[in-house]
Amino acid sequence: DAGVIQSPRHEVTEMGQEVTLRCKPISGHNSLFWYRQTMMRGLELLIYFNNNVPIDDSGMPEDRFSAKMPNASFSTLKIQPSEPRDSAVYFCASSLEGAQEQYFGPGTRLTVT
Amino acid sequence: AQSVTQPDIHITVSEGASLELRCNYSYGATPYLFWYVQSPGQGLQLLLKYFSGDTLVQGIKGFEAEFKRSQSSFNLRKPSVHWSDAAEYFCAVGAGNTPLVFGKGTRLSVIA
Repeated sequence: DAGVIQSPRHEVTEMGQEVTLRCKPISGHNSLFWYRQTMMRGLELLIYFNNNVPIDDSGMPEDRFSAKMPNASFSTLKIQPSEPRDSAVYFCASSLEGAQEQYFGPGTRLTVT
Repeated sequence: AQSVTQPDIHITVSEGASLELRCNYSYGATPYLFWYVQSPGQGLQLLLKYFSGDTLVQGIKGFEAEFKRSQSSFNLRKPSVHWSDAAEYFCAVGAGNTPLVFGKGTRLSVIA
């Protein structure tokens, strides 16, 4: 099992640019979660999907953030335009059902200058 | 609303000493409980989980945790800490079909 795959692992971009983070969940998992981790705020749930459908996006900080899951094996988190305060590590996780154990990807470290 | 409290932000123990990391939760239903570990620069790795049954659960890397319903606690323990255990530890709670709620984490440092 390859685990949850995220790309890129590191992203450095300038303020105002569009950033797209990608996630491939574990095959067969039907729930997918996007988290953001910072020193100040810890681990925050941004949005989660069940069976490719967004269930709760109340954690998405602003309209600049959007997430899609076009099929069961792929999801994207987009920030447009990016700002320095978006700098964080973004994690994707998947699970068989919403509250059973989640499996995390290695994360994408985003730096916005 | 459900919540998880990890009272200790940072703990330092000597290598070979025993360890206990505290976790208290608030949840209306019978919860599922988890401990995760995050090494620097890595994602979160599941250490152990409790769904039902025996309240003492064993996990990977020699860790165990005990569910105490009367105290709403799920403390993580290890009898003898190794330097490689230095990491951030997260307790999480969930039930049904809702996302897990994570605590803010406890950072463990191990000294020689």
